[in-house]
Amino acid sequence: DTGVSQDPRHKITKRGQNVTFRCDPISEHNRLYWYRQTLGQGPEFLTYFQNEAQLEKSRLLSDRFSAERPKGSFSTLEIQRTEQGDSAMYLCASSRGRAGNTEAFFGQGTRLTVV
Amino acid sequence: AQTVTQSQPEMSVQEAETVTLSCTYDTSESDYYLFWYKQPPSRQMILVIRQEAYKQQNATENRFSVNFQKAAKSFSLKISDSQLGDAAMYFCAYWVIFGNEKLTFGTGTRLTIIP
Repeated sequence: DTGVSQDPRHKITKRGQNVTFRCDPISEHNRLYWYRQTLGQGPEFLTYFQNEAQLEKSRLLSDRFSAERPKGSFSTLEIQRTEQGDSAMYLCASSRGRAGNTEAFFGQGTRLTVV
Repeated sequence: AQTVTQSQPEMSVQEAETVTLSCTYDTSESDYYLFWYKQPPSRQMILVIRQEAYKQQNATENRFSVNFQKAAKSFSLKISDSQLGDAAMYFCAYWVIFGNEKLTFGTGTRLTIIP
């Protein structure tokens, strides 16, 4: 069990470019979550997958954001036409069951800077 | 709306002393979990302790314990015998049992341990 892995750890991009982040959850964890954390704030829920199905999306997830989890394994989060307001830490977490009933394990995050 | 408030942006404590971090929350739900997560610098967030709202007994995990006051909607974390490795951001979080999948986090408290 190597934990939740996120790639890249850091990403600097120019405004208007597209970026994609990857999350590899702990194997056999059927639930996967994406959160966004801005400076001085706690993580905010973006979206959640149970296996390959995306079951919840926050209103924070504008139409420039898309997330996938093909085959219920790794997940990707893509941001199109990035804006400076997208600069944040993007956290991925996974759990064997519901995040409250069992422990959600977090990755180290991908820090996005939009310049 | 569910909110979690951490009124202490920063705290410090002498090594080996005891410190208490405050958290209040607002909800109309009766069935929920409360959590404290620790986020060390440049490392992933890890679960410190969890409390089920239906349990009156306060949760404890080694040097970490909580004071859960359901009527007051208060959930403080006590760290005894503070160690240098306890230095981190601490986030209080809330999760509704019969609801969506999101963890709602507070804004965090940065804890510094003074040698």
